Amino acid sequence: KAGVTQTPRYLIKTRGQQVTLSCSPISGHRSVSWYQQTPGQGLQFLFEYFSETQRNKGNFPGRFSGRQFSNSRSEMNVSTLELGDSALYLCASSMGLAFTGELFFGEGSRLTVL
Amino acid sequence: SQQGEEDPQALSIQEGENATMNCSYKTSINNLQWYRQNSGRGLVHLILIRSNEREKHSGRLRVTLDTSKKSSSLLITASRAADTASYFCATVYSGGYQKVTFGTGTKLQVIP
Repeated sequence: KAGVTQTPRYLIKTRGQQVTLSCSPISGHRSVSWYQQTPGQGLQFLFEYFSETQRNKGNFPGRFSGRQFSNSRSEMNVSTLELGDSALYLCASSMGLAFTGELFFGEGSRLTVL
Repeated sequence: SQQGEEDPQALSIQEGENATMNCSYKTSINNLQWYRQNSGRGLVHLILIRSNEREKHSGRLRVTLDTSKKSSSLLITASRAADTASYFCATVYSGGYQKVTFGTGTKLQVIP
């Protein structure tokens, strides 16, 4: 069974631009959660999607958005990038809702904002 | 704010020794999980312990949970160089938010 796939793995953007990150969950998994990881703030929850519906949202500004497609693949978008958005963005999939059990993580997308 | 706080922040031991890391959390939980992250990679699930359980084992891992003290510990016995990684506890708040919240992590270095 293929694992969680995140693309792109690395990207460099400049302030003010926008970025879209993609996450393909494990086949059969219906939940996709997104996390931002930085040295200063650690792992911060962004949002969770389950069956194309946003189930939960963390404390991030509206510049951070996401969606989930009918095949459970998910994308997150960050608009008007700021230097502080530089981070490793991790997605995790699970069969049921994330809080019910084990999360399977992708390798992450490392975003650098210049 | 983070639900869990790991202690110590960093730990350096010799191969073959045991490593213990602790996680304290602030509110009642449904379950607590431990994850490992190799440098800059994704997290890997290690073990899940539910709020009505006190101890679980998986291979060289032993996890305990003390809900009265709102704390958990992860013991890795007979450590190996390959155990070098960051370890995170993750909690699910039982109050209804139903989201997984990660702690600050313990960076473990096992010296061969």
